[in-house]
Amino acid sequence: EPEVTQTPSHQVTQMGQEVILRCVPISNHLYFYWYRQILGQKVEFLVSFYNNEISEKSEIFDDQFSVERPDGSNFTLKIRSTKLEDSAMYFCASSEREGLETQYFGPGTRLLVL
Amino acid sequence: AQKITQTQPGMFVQEKEAVTLDCTYDTSDPSYGLFWYKQPSSGEMIFLIYQGSYDQQNATEGRYSLNFQKARKSANLVISASQLGDSAMYFCAMRERSGSGNTPLVFGKGTRLSVIA
Repeated sequence: EPEVTQTPSHQVTQMGQEVILRCVPISNHLYFYWYRQILGQKVEFLVSFYNNEISEKSEIFDDQFSVERPDGSNFTLKIRSTKLEDSAMYFCASSEREGLETQYFGPGTRLLVL
Repeated sequence: AQKITQTQPGMFVQEKEAVTLDCTYDTSDPSYGLFWYKQPSSGEMIFLIYQGSYDQQNATEGRYSLNFQKARKSANLVISASQLGDSAMYFCAMRERSGSGNTPLVFGKGTRLSVIA
């Protein structure tokens, strides 16, 4: 069964460093998303992406965040200058169509900023 | 205001028994979808079941069913014949159709289910 994959599974970085989180969505899916989950809290939306453009973004997704689809398969989230409060699990998700389609999540990248 | 409310931070159920996890939602959009995801201790988010606002029947997927009461704005998850492997965090989530076609999921705070042998 096709699935969303994410790398790395864990990342430890120093405050102020740049990190890039990678995702490979399900191959025939066109809509992509990033969410994050701070430890013990609920899952929060960051950004949605379609046709090489950001569709929607939350207040969390400020100028230090960016997303890119550098090729036909990868979808990346870059955090330019990490802060302690960026420590969280980051989930990539994809859906085949727009509207109320189910979003399928990857296994997540656990980011720890020291 | 909270769009998704899960009032049970934790629930216990005996193995082989059924359990209901509560979820209420708030929206003025007539078209929306309700989702349940399972998050085991390993951390991944596993899609369980979907209910559309215009669906006439309650959704079912194997041992999972969704008790959809539109007038009460509730979408409770029912797990029948609980198994030890059902122990996990369960999140209710909603997508609204309004806005861009690429609307995000809004999640509740989750319910931690523990299945006891």
